[in-house]
Amino acid sequence: KNEVEQSPQNLTAQEGEFITINCSYSVGISALHWLQQHPGGGIVSLFMLSSGKKKHGRLIATINIQEKHSSLHITASHPRDSAVYICAVSGAGSYQLTFGKGTKLSVIP
Amino acid sequence: DSGVTQTPKHLITATGQRVTLRCSPRSGDLSVYWYQQSLDQGLQFLIQYYNGEERAKGNILERFSAQQFPDLHSELNLSSLELGDSALYFCASSVVELGSQYFGPGTRLTVL
Repeated sequence: KNEVEQSPQNLTAQEGEFITINCSYSVGISALHWLQQHPGGGIVSLFMLSSGKKKHGRLIATINIQEKHSSLHITASHPRDSAVYICAVSGAGSYQLTFGKGTKLSVIP
Repeated sequence: DSGVTQTPKHLITATGQRVTLRCSPRSGDLSVYWYQQSLDQGLQFLIQYYNGEERAKGNILERFSAQQFPDLHSELNLSSLELGDSALYFCASSVVELGSQYFGPGTRLTVL
């Protein structure tokens, strides 16, 4: 079974700061997902990646398959980025997602 | 709005009862996933369907069952409910298996 670890668990940043959230997993995967869960509970899929790097607006996700590690970066953070960010992986040949416990981000004006 | 709908939004029931949660995927999405999110366990995968067939099963209790119908909507049935079943239940859909998933707003189940 894949173990997914995220760090930090909680993160407080000032508006405008560059933010990094890390995710590591224990066994081979077919894909890694970054999700955002808003205070109201809704979940939005931010990225799905299996190699390299993806960028969408101020968000960048990278993955290093050899090191079994992924990072989510937020540039020029804003209070509306405040949410829980969850890393999830699907194992090789599996459709089942295993989730990290999430990183709670608070961006202060 | 992800295009995935879930009903009901909230459900309050008593222990021992049975409930049905409904999910309509985005138009064109063939794959439906069910997840449970509780305070102590976090998000957990329950079950996945693709075009009406069960494709993967996770930590789904025997008291729980699901199906995907010909029109691709899915239902999750929870029976003999216990206090510990209180959680947020999310449905997600994707065009293809292992594709990006679009989550519904969730159903908050409270078992009293």
